[in-house]
Parts: sequence; C-alpha cells; structure tokens
Amino acid sequence: SAVISQKPSRDICQRGTSLTIQCQVDSQVTMMFWYRQQPGQSLTLIATANQGSEATYESGFVIDKFPISRPNLTFSTLTVSNMSPEDSSIYLCSGGTGDWGYTFGSGTRLTVV
Amino acid sequence: AQTVTQSQPEMSVQEAETVTLSCTYDTSESDYYLFWYKQPPSRQMILVIRQEAYKQQNATENRFSVNFQKAAKSFSLKISDSQLGDAAMYFCAYRPLNYGGSQGNLIFGKGTKLSVKP
Repeated sequence: SAVISQKPSRDICQRGTSLTIQCQVDSQVTMMFWYRQQPGQSLTLIATANQGSEATYESGFVIDKFPISRPNLTFSTLTVSNMSPEDSSIYLCSGGTGDWGYTFGSGTRLTVV
Repeated sequence: AQTVTQSQPEMSVQEAETVTLSCTYDTSESDYYLFWYKQPPSRQMILVIRQEAYKQQNATENRFSVNFQKAAKSFSLKISDSQLGDAAMYFCAYRPLNYGGSQGNLIFGKGTKLSVKP
C-alpha cells in the first residue's frame, strides 16, 4: 500500500493568516481525500482532491476557505485560509487506488492563536 | 445514505485478555468493503483489517479478527491476547464497492477508545 508523507506535522499560526499542508505519496493513487478531526473525535471529510480539476467539497466546506490542489497522482495540498481559532484541529490526507482501504498521512495539528 | 455506528465510546481490557469492539452499518448496497482502523496518540491512522462484503469468510490478521454478519449489518472486531500497544482509538469504516454518485471516500463511525490495563 502507498505511503503518504504529510507536512508540517504541527504549526501554530496567527489568526487571519493561511497555512498550506502538503501530502506526498510514494506511488500513484487514484483517490485522495482531506479530512478534519477534532481530538478524540471522528474524521470529517472536507473534500475529494481530483487530479487536474477542482476538488469536490462536502457540505459546510468551501473552496475559498479550503483551496485544494492536486497537480498529479502523487501530490496534493490543502490550504486553510484566513484562519480563526475555530480552524484549530487536526488535518489528515488520505489516498489509495480505491481497490481496498486507503492509507493516511500522519496528520497536521494546527493551532490558531 | 450510508451510516456507521459504534455504540461503545470507550472500552477497557486487561492485558492478555480478549476484547470485542462493536460496529453496525446501514446501507442499501450489496457489495462493499468494511475496515477497522487504529489511531494511537501519534495520530497515525493504521489499517488493522478489512473485509469484502461478498466474502462470507471472516477476515483475520494475526491477533485481530472480525465477525461479519451481513444480514445483521454487523462488523465487530475481536482483539485476542491484548497488548499495551493496542491502546488506541479504533474506527470502523465503510466504502461501497462501486462509487456511483459518491466519491469513493470512507464513511467512519465515531470511534471506540480502547484502554489496555497492565
């Protein structure tokens, strides 16, 4: 199964700024996703990152706030824009070929102050 | 819409004992995959075991096994000979075999926090 490197692992950011999270996969994957997770809770899907086209966002998440890029089948970024303390959370990327389960990056713990 | 329910927010087991985590799901699909993921405090989501719905045989991975009851839409995880390293959050997840209108993403339950007592 694919191995996903996610960075940064954590960051503390000022409100009003933006942070870009990167995920690099060691092999081509057809599917990539971005999740948000509050500590101790389940994962909430933000969007599906589509290669070469606009991401597909879940209800409650918009492109202006969470722009996503996926220029090829091994790389994707998620930007958290104009951050507020409510954006403090863990962000995870996930990917796979869709035949089986997906692997995950190690997560980014974001704190907005 | 498909849903996954984990009714046990927390469970505890003595080291070397056996524990079973429950999961039920709701779907109108006949073919799908089910998964158990483990998330230790390090945040890394680790795939523990997976089951294809069209296979009647229960999946087994070393000390981890599942009891898959398709008619009852139940997918429990049994951990035998529990070890301290098994302490983690466990998530049950579902994905349809054919995406159709969905994006092929996993649908997660709320998780069960497992503690292992020495």
